[in-house]
Amino acid sequence: GQSLEQPSEVTAVEGAIVQINCTYQTSGFYGLSWYQQHDGGAPTFLSYNALDGLEETGRFSSFLSRSDSYGYLLLQELQMKDSASYFCAVSNFNKFYFGSGTKLNVKP
Amino acid sequence: SQTIHQWPATLVQPVGSPLSLECTVEGTSNPNLYWYRQAAGRGLQLLFYSVGIGQISSEVPQNLSASRPQDRQFILSSKKLLLSDSGFYLCAWNLGQDEQFFGPGTRLTVL
Repeated sequence: GQSLEQPSEVTAVEGAIVQINCTYQTSGFYGLSWYQQHDGGAPTFLSYNALDGLEETGRFSSFLSRSDSYGYLLLQELQMKDSASYFCAVSNFNKFYFGSGTKLNVKP
Repeated sequence: SQTIHQWPATLVQPVGSPLSLECTVEGTSNPNLYWYRQAAGRGLQLLFYSVGIGQISSEVPQNLSASRPQDRQFILSSKKLLLSDSGFYLCAWNLGQDEQFFGPGTRLTVL
């Protein structure tokens, strides 16, 4: 089976840095991806890691350690518009399994 | 550019009624197609995926079914809805193992 764990909620202030962790257990693994979902909307893709290390895309970075079955999403220079739910997902040969999501609250 | 359409946007149905949700993709060929369900405040549950016309894989046994009659069309159906079928239904497509593109979703309420 597949299981992904991430914190249910995180609160941070505008301009700060926040890290959202994700640990996974899966019978097969191609990569770890991250999605953002605003209330009432559809998820949108943020980043993908297939190999160990850090991937940077603007204010967002994502890290993967395959040996530890662990990854994180790092959001820098937080803005109010970053308030949303963030999901990690593992891909396993055409199938994608999502975590239960982390609700990020950004306060002024 | 690629776009994905889902309709209707919202739907209220009585228990025991049938369901048909449609998803179409434009601007790509032979995509992998997916149906997910998201309960309020929860993650996305993979229901079905398809790698080609007529090829459907089911992830969770339930009273739902899926069909792919054309390359860029994916349909989710039920003969008799249950209260537990309420949720946000999302169609998605991708070409590989990384990025998935989601449609706008259908919010289904079963009463």
